[in-house]
Amino acid sequence: NAGVTQTPKFRVLKTGQSMTLLCAQDMNHEYMYWYRQDPGMGLRLIHYSVGEGTTAKGEVPDGYNVSRLKKQNFLLGLESAAPSQTSVYFCASSYSNRGAGGYTFGSGTRLTVV
Amino acid sequence: AQSVTQPDIHITVSEGASLELRCNYSYGATPYLFWYVQSPGQGLQLLLKYFSGDTLVQGIKGFEAEFKRSQSSFNLRKPSVHWSDAAEYFCAVDLSGGYQKVTFGTGTKLQVIP
Repeated sequence: NAGVTQTPKFRVLKTGQSMTLLCAQDMNHEYMYWYRQDPGMGLRLIHYSVGEGTTAKGEVPDGYNVSRLKKQNFLLGLESAAPSQTSVYFCASSYSNRGAGGYTFGSGTRLTVV
Repeated sequence: AQSVTQPDIHITVSEGASLELRCNYSYGATPYLFWYVQSPGQGLQLLLKYFSGDTLVQGIKGFEAEFKRSQSSFNLRKPSVHWSDAAEYFCAVDLSGGYQKVTFGTGTKLQVIP
């Protein structure tokens, strides 16, 4: 059981370039999330999805777009990368049932924008 | 707005000593609370969670946490720390009443010395 898989694991971008981070889960979870992790700031929610075809903004959505065309996949896009987007990005998924609780995380994507 | 505070950025304990990591939250209703652990270069792993009932909850790896409503706290404890417990620990609260929208604290980094 793979759980949550993120690709790529590492990436270096030049300012202004675009890229897409892929998150795939094989647990049939309804909810999926993208977080960024920066030193001293914990994890901040970028976007999330409560089901196939739906997305919503989180705490820090500017500069990012997402899509959830298939239940198992949640894509995070950067249209024009900026140095401020240098971070570690984590995808997570969870059940929709109230009280089920707890996220399953991927192992992260370390992105550097130069 | 709800928030999670972890007042200790870094803690050092000796192997075999007891451990307590502090977490305070501000939230109007009954919170859904979590503790996660992150080893270097890895994603976050769920240690334990509290929704209701017994205020002392047991988790994986020998950890436990106690919910104290009067103090708005959910501190993580372990009677005897092992070197492999060195990691970063995150407290989190679900602000959506169990519908899986979680906010994370800024983390406490645990160092274990021989």
